[in-house]
Amino acid sequence: AQSVTQLGSHVSVSEGALVLLRCNYSSSVPPYLFWYVQYPNQGLQLLLKYTSAATLVKGINGFEAEFKKSETSFHLTKPSAHMSDAAEYFCAVSHTNQAGTALIFGKGTTLSVSS
Amino acid sequence: DTEVTQTPKHLVMGMTNKKSLKCEQHMGHRAMYWYKQKAKKPPELMFVYSYEKLSINESVPSRFSPECPNSSLLNLHLHALQPEDSALYLCASSQDGERDTQYFGPGTRLTVL
Repeated sequence: AQSVTQLGSHVSVSEGALVLLRCNYSSSVPPYLFWYVQYPNQGLQLLLKYTSAATLVKGINGFEAEFKKSETSFHLTKPSAHMSDAAEYFCAVSHTNQAGTALIFGKGTTLSVSS
Repeated sequence: DTEVTQTPKHLVMGMTNKKSLKCEQHMGHRAMYWYKQKAKKPPELMFVYSYEKLSINESVPSRFSPECPNSSLLNLHLHALQPEDSALYLCASSQDGERDTQYFGPGTRLTVL
């Protein structure tokens, strides 16, 4: 079964500092991986996704992630945090079986940004 | 346009009420999803419709009844809910492939009294 694990339920950084949110996956087949962001009382917005084209994926709002098969990781980074980046971040893997396709989410990481 | 709309934004209902949540997309997507999200938790999949047919039901209680009238609309009918059903209900849609992005609506905040 496919799954993702997000290390660290809460990450705090200062404005301008590097953001690193960790995600490790478990999959017996090449995975399709996604990072979503959720602001309070809103739906989820796609930041970026990995679909086996390029291992370094660039997303919106200056975020990027690198797929590392040897480490089974897909960590999300941003060189310089803004106050507006404070939100909940979810890593997810796409899982397909005979019934259909669904996203399997990690438990999420809350990012706090201080001035 | 990558918008999924959901109505209402907020809903308060008693345990004996019947209400419905509505979701709409005009992106030509063939798969639509209902998720339930409790505070500080990830979304939990409830139902998946693929080409207007129910393809996944994650053992959801029968007090939740999904309906897909056409490829653009998805409803969730609610009846005899419990207070523990209070949550944010999210709708999403995608092209229906495992590499396809799921686009989420803003959600309906449901409170069951």
